[in-house]
Amino acid sequence: ETGVTQSPTHLIKTRGQQVTLRCSSQSGHNTVSWYQQALGQGPQFIFQYYREEENGRGNFPPRFSGLQFPNYSSELNVNALELDDSALYLCASSLTHRQKETQYFGPGTRLLVL
Amino acid sequence: GIQVEQSPPDLILQEGANSTLRCNFSDSVNNLQWFHQNPWGQLINLFYIPSGTKQNGRLSATTVATERYSLLYISSSQTTDSGVYFCAAGSNYKLTFGKGTLLTVNP
Repeated sequence: ETGVTQSPTHLIKTRGQQVTLRCSSQSGHNTVSWYQQALGQGPQFIFQYYREEENGRGNFPPRFSGLQFPNYSSELNVNALELDDSALYLCASSLTHRQKETQYFGPGTRLLVL
Repeated sequence: GIQVEQSPPDLILQEGANSTLRCNFSDSVNNLQWFHQNPWGQLINLFYIPSGTKQNGRLSATTVATERYSLLYISSSQTTDSGVYFCAAGSNYKLTFGKGTLLTVNP
């Protein structure tokens, strides 16, 4: 059984650029959630995708957008990068979108915005 | 939304000591998980425990849903237990994380 994988592991961008982060969910899981973890803080929920549709969204601006593909892998896109977007971005997958399911996290992508 | 508070924020132990980490949450939940974040940032699942008690080796957890708190017990701590421990709780599509407890276990 393959766990949650994310790519790339590290990324450096400049302010104003756009970035795409990728996530492959655990085998058999159809729901993917994205979280942002700033240094010294707990992860914060960005949004969740279930069967290719956004299933819920946290307090993040529209320049944070996502996609989920038929194989349940997912992308997080961030436009017009700001310095405060520097963070660890974590993807989590779960068996279904129902809340009574364990979420399993990938290793994360570290984004640095200069 | 749900508020999650963890205590203590920092904990320093000698190897072999026992510890208790606490998580308070502000509303009823149907998902509560404990994680250990390693130095590389990976969140390792410890327990899925919206209610009741579970044990896994030297670790155990108890959630009293009616009183809105959860406890993580670490017995006979080892240096490899060092890191940040997070509690996360949810009642709909998202998990809300606490700020974590930074555990340092000295040899």
